[in-house]
Amino acid sequence: QKEVEQDPGPLSVPEGAIVSLNCTYSNSAFQYFMWYRQYSRKGPELLMYTYSSGNKEDGRFTAQVDKSSKYISLFIRDSQPSDSATYLCAMSGKDSSYKLIFGSGTRLLVRP
Amino acid sequence: DVKVTQSSRYLVKRTGEKVFLECVQDMDHENMFWYRQDPGLGLRLIYFSYDVKMKEKGDIPEGYSVSREKKERFSLILESASTNQTSMYLCASRPGSSSYGYTFGSGTRLTVV
Repeated sequence: QKEVEQDPGPLSVPEGAIVSLNCTYSNSAFQYFMWYRQYSRKGPELLMYTYSSGNKEDGRFTAQVDKSSKYISLFIRDSQPSDSATYLCAMSGKDSSYKLIFGSGTRLLVRP
Repeated sequence: DVKVTQSSRYLVKRTGEKVFLECVQDMDHENMFWYRQDPGLGLRLIYFSYDVKMKEKGDIPEGYSVSREKKERFSLILESASTNQTSMYLCASRPGSSSYGYTFGSGTRLTVV
């Protein structure tokens, strides 16, 4: 079993829809949770960063962490065609390396 | 903004060649990483470095080596390129001993023929 599981998609939605992207994990030591967005033929860029449980909002994006369920989500409101990309979750524990463990990514397509 | 620059966007090399992939970051980060990314397999860590001249193996180091002679530069070396090393290679950096996310370069798409 992988430490971090993420549905690869693709997820296809119409413009304006609310998108929900999710990851589950198995390591209860994880405390730092991130979402990266990766456009085709580009490197991933950090989109959201959260510590421990709770919600964090940034514009149309909301990151949610439920440590009791070992489940994290990224919500995108009023989705736009420019949101079409692969979204990777990533997480780490509070050890000396803080090495990130990545999900395999979900491909999102927002149709005009 | 932190910049991580990978020297080549696209490379085509022949089987058996020695290949050098270069990565430079401009924000004095201690930690640097090399990943490869393949469809269906996600990001896999090849090597990482916590400081100059220090290196540690990641999950898939076979067939690769690295060099970090200066803090800002982390090189990935394919000793004898093979077709199964055709992939997207991503370099990343981060401040030392921190929980911050990584900053990635734009990637090098390597094709070995």
